[in-house]
Amino acid sequence: AAGVIQSPRHLIKEKRETATLKCYPIPRHDTVYWYQQGPGQDPQFLISFYEKMQSDKGSIPDRFSAQQFSDYHSELNMSSLELGDSALYFCASSLGPGQGALSEKLFFGSGTQLSVL
Amino acid sequence: RKEVEQDPGPFNVPEGATVAFNCTYSNSASQSFFWYRQDCRKEPKLLMSVYSSGNEDGRFTAQLNRASQYISLLIRDSKLSDSATYLCVVNNAGGYNKLIFGAGTRLAVHP
Repeated sequence: AAGVIQSPRHLIKEKRETATLKCYPIPRHDTVYWYQQGPGQDPQFLISFYEKMQSDKGSIPDRFSAQQFSDYHSELNMSSLELGDSALYFCASSLGPGQGALSEKLFFGSGTQLSVL
Repeated sequence: RKEVEQDPGPFNVPEGATVAFNCTYSNSASQSFFWYRQDCRKEPKLLMSVYSSGNEDGRFTAQLNRASQYISLLIRDSKLSDSATYLCVVNNAGGYNKLIFGAGTRLAVHP
């Protein structure tokens, strides 16, 4: 079965550079979520989208922005990268609200490991 | 104080042991509850949902006590393959999902 696809798997950037992470949800999933997991930390919620509109916002820095496109894929844009941005970035997808327990099942991609040097 | 708190771990247990993890959450309006499993630097994977009536899936049993805002996971007959980090997860958003993760409890099962 198709899963959540994230690209790239690994990304190395210098301080103050920009980065774009991509996420392709499971087919028919219209909701995507972004999480950041630092070394030895738990995943922290950044932002989510439902039907191409932002549905919730967590601890996403102002230097980051994200959007969901008409084909439901999402991109996380990160600018003025800092050393502390080095982390695993997970994308997850689910069915939209109103579908009972199915709406609550999030499926995670394998993540993008971002290293800022 | 973190919104979701878990036993710090690590738990080192022999194969065949029974091990229990505990978790508390601070938001009394939390909607639903889950246990996720995460292997080293891999994506979290849903292990099971947690219901007030308690639910069991093979060797795994989860319990929820809404009055005490407490969630537990019991693993019986531990296998080597159970070694992982177990994340207690709370869904706070009404309508849209907003999963809040605990810091995780590491389990190491040894022969």
